[in-house]
Amino acid sequence: SQQGEEDPQALSIQEGENATMNCSYKTSINNLQWYRQNSGRGLVHLILIRSNEREKHSGRLRVTLDTSKKSSSLLITASRAADTASYFCATDTGRRALTFGSGTRLQVQP
Amino acid sequence: GAGVSQTPSNKVTEKGKYVELRCDPISGHTALYWYRQSLGQGPEFLIYFQGTGAADDSGLPNDRFFAVRPEGSVSTLKIQRTERGDSAVYLCASSELLAGGGTDTQYFGPGTRLTVL
Repeated sequence: SQQGEEDPQALSIQEGENATMNCSYKTSINNLQWYRQNSGRGLVHLILIRSNEREKHSGRLRVTLDTSKKSSSLLITASRAADTASYFCATDTGRRALTFGSGTRLQVQP
Repeated sequence: GAGVSQTPSNKVTEKGKYVELRCDPISGHTALYWYRQSLGQGPEFLIYFQGTGAADDSGLPNDRFFAVRPEGSVSTLKIQRTERGDSAVYLCASSELLAGGGTDTQYFGPGTRLTVL
């Protein structure tokens, strides 16, 4: 079963625009991680936010976490064609294995 | 340093055959995880090792699936009597462990794409 659900399932934007992806989950967490995946292969870790954190930045990425709403968002600013990929949120509920959502497919048009 | 590596990158087999998939984690990482990803879905957890022992194998779909990590480093995922439904990308990840529970960042390998004909 998948705890996280990303929204939207697919997103198409123009280069230079911002992209926002949302993730909702069901149970309490230790941390939430965002990953990127190109062409259905290896997952690249983007950012980890712990349950006692509300916002985190890394370069053009901004992640927020609202534990009261059990939701997180990933914002990619000034998107580039190279950002085209699938993005997944994954939750650590304390059992150490991550539970992934079904992902958002982002297409950035040049 | 080197990341997580997996071999082979692709494996094509026939229904009923036995396959082994290998994972080399990042040196020094105590925790090792196996996940399976079907087309259009997120990865699903299979099994987690802490050192040499399987600490959580609740994600293994049935007894045809088995994994080992005899020396606490390299791990092998073994699938007996493969079925067409086993076709997927098998992903391995490793991480350090945090004191008091929870996991630090998990670093993933490139995966093995298994196709069962």
